[in-house]
Amino acid sequence: AQTVTQSQPEMSVQEAETVTLSCTYDTSENNYYLFWYKQPPSRQMILVIRQEAYKQQNATENRFSVNFQKAAKSFSLKISDSQLGDTAMYFCAFMKPNYQLIWGAGTKLIIKP
Amino acid sequence: DTGVSQNPRHKITKRGQNVTFRCDPISEHNRLYWYRQTLGQGPEFLTYFQNEAQLEKSRLLSDRFSAERPKGSFSTLEIQRTEQGDSAMYLCASSPKGRGSETQYFGPGTRLLVL
Repeated sequence: AQTVTQSQPEMSVQEAETVTLSCTYDTSENNYYLFWYKQPPSRQMILVIRQEAYKQQNATENRFSVNFQKAAKSFSLKISDSQLGDTAMYFCAFMKPNYQLIWGAGTKLIIKP
Repeated sequence: DTGVSQNPRHKITKRGQNVTFRCDPISEHNRLYWYRQTLGQGPEFLTYFQNEAQLEKSRLLSDRFSAERPKGSFSTLEIQRTEQGDSAMYLCASSPKGRGSETQYFGPGTRLLVL
């Protein structure tokens, strides 16, 4: 069975610092997608970044980038120049071939002014 | 282009009552998903539609739960004889066909509290 593990329940950093959130997953699939979503307090789930497993190049979206290590089944999210608006729950998710998302438990990220 | 909408946003009910939630996906998105999220946890998959066909159902979806998407547009999720353990946020998401079909776009959720 596929599983997703986020080992950091909570993290806090100062505004403008760089922070890395970790995620590991377990699967026997070879082709799949990985995602990071953020869920701000009392707001809806928003896609941050996605990675296709067959692509070796790490995905980037402005201040957000991933370190995808397929052999190690690791998918970490780096947020550069963090902003107060980045405060949210961050969820790592793995997509099964049937489009079902398997989610980690989340990391609560607090950006301090 | 409006996003995924869900109604109601909040629902308080007494144990044993039936509740129904509605999800309107992004226009022309052919896939629609329901998830349940309890406090402090990641979402858990419940069920998934492609057009009007229900293709996947989680074991979490007991006999008290039923979902429909009658014309391949909006969807409803009904919970019969609610229990306190049903208290959670119910999330709906949709995704397009073709390019980008792997990305799910989420609605604001319906928060259910069963007293």
